[in-house]
Amino acid sequence: QVQLVESGGGVIQPGGSLTLSCAASGFSFSSYGMHWVRQAPGKGLEWVAIIWFDGSNENYADSVKGRFTISRDNSKDTLYLQMKSLRVDDTAVYYCARAGSVGIGPWGQGTLVTVSS
Amino acid sequence: QPVLTQPPSASASLGASVTLTCTLSSGYSNYKVDWYQQRPGKGPRFVMRVGTGGIVGSKGDDIPDRFSVSGSGLNRYLTIKNIQEEDESDYYCGADYGSGSNSVVFGGGTKLTVL
Repeated sequence: QVQLVESGGGVIQPGGSLTLSCAASGFSFSSYGMHWVRQAPGKGLEWVAIIWFDGSNENYADSVKGRFTISRDNSKDTLYLQMKSLRVDDTAVYYCARAGSVGIGPWGQGTLVTVSS
Repeated sequence: QPVLTQPPSASASLGASVTLTCTLSSGYSNYKVDWYQQRPGKGPRFVMRVGTGGIVGSKGDDIPDRFSVSGSGLNRYLTIKNIQEEDESDYYCGADYGSGSNSVVFGGGTKLTVL
């Protein structure tokens, strides 16, 4: 079955950097676009970034543009999110999810990033 | 970009029906919307996509027949019949927009309480 497992979250100081990973299995990873979506504690969903199936195109929410970079390694079935200049308001659970022809899904279980001094 | 508005809360008794609403901002009446369910402590899951003509494509995996959608004007609806305890969740609507549908926006979510 399709499985997406995020890792790399943790506690980081403001201004720091962190890279999240999402290991995919159960489907042809190189055939699908992928998203990162985040959810601040007790808040709603916020879309972060998308990358095309072949990595040829990507797009970002204005709130992270210039600070975050989405990438993928299709040889390793792995999605990444490199985060720089982290701010307190970047604190959230970060989900990776598959882009479907209709909708977004499946989703991983998420990894928590806490930005705090 | 479109703005999606959802009431923050809704409630329904066990076995009853409820309709959740997602309202698109003015000028976006032709947009389709995706519904997502997020159970407590879990990642979201795709429910189904809806336009003014009703469901677009297929339901998400393991979504019961009790779930249905409809759309009219700027409103997109998710109806749940014969509500069960496991339906108590946060429900979000989302929409693609932009060149090549390469951006996504979500509504604020509706917390459904089963009484």
